[in-house]
Amino acid sequence: QVQLQESGPGLVKPSQTLSLTCTVSGGSISSGGYYWSWIRQHPGKGLEWIGYIYYSGSTYYNPSLKSRVTISVDTSKNQFSLKLSSVTAADTAVYYCARAPSGSYFGDYWGQGTLVTVSS
Amino acid sequence: DIVMTQSPDSLAVSLGERATINCKSSQSVLYSSNNKNFLAWYQQKPGQPPKLLIYWASTRESGVPDRFSGSGSGTDFTLTISSLQAEDVAVYYCQQYYSTPPSFGQGTKLEIK
Repeated sequence: QVQLQESGPGLVKPSQTLSLTCTVSGGSISSGGYYWSWIRQHPGKGLEWIGYIYYSGSTYYNPSLKSRVTISVDTSKNQFSLKLSSVTAADTAVYYCARAPSGSYFGDYWGQGTLVTVSS
Repeated sequence: DIVMTQSPDSLAVSLGERATINCKSSQSVLYSSNNKNFLAWYQQKPGQPPKLLIYWASTRESGVPDRFSGSGSGTDFTLTISSLQAEDVAVYYCQQYYSTPPSFGQGTKLEIK
C-alpha cells in the first residue's frame, strides 16, 4: 500500500519561500510509471494542481504559479519536494502531495495534507 | 484552460435514495484516438484528502462501493450514488485531466435530508 506524507513548516512569512517535502513509502519513485504531484486547497475552497515531477526529473508547473514554483525529486530518499517563492497570504492553503498514473493526471494516492499559513 | 462547473453546489438526499451530481467541462475531454474521457470524480470528507472514486469517467477505483457510478461523455458527466448511505456525506469534485493544467470543479456538498 503506497503512502505519502507531507512535512515542512506550517507558518511562513510573507515574501519568503514555502518548502515542503513528500515522503513516499510502499513504493519506489524511481520505478517510474507515475507523476508525483503537488495540489493545494485554499481554506474552504476548491483544489488547484500546482505541478508534478517524474522520476527522471522532468516537470510540469501550472502556468498560474510557474514563475514561483520548483519541484524536485530525491530518489535516494524516495522523496519529492515543493518550493514556492515570494509567498503572500493568498498562498495560505492545505498542500497535498499525490501520485498520478502516467498518461493521466488523476490522483490515486494522496497524502493527508499539511496546512501552510502565510503570516508575519 | 478547461473550466469545470458542477451542479448543484449542494444537495440533500434521504438515506437510501439516489443522489446525482453533474459536471460540465468548457470543452470536450474525450480523446478521440482511444475514445476515453479524461474525467475523474473524488470524494472529500472533512479533514481528509480527496479520495479517488471514478476515473476515465466511468471506471470505479478498486474498493469503491458499487453504489457509486460515473457516466457521460464529451462535456457532460454525472456521478450517481444509487442508494445514499450516511457515510457518503461529503464534498464531491470532478476533475479533467485531458489537458494541462488539470482542473477541478468547485465541488458539490452532499448532505442527508
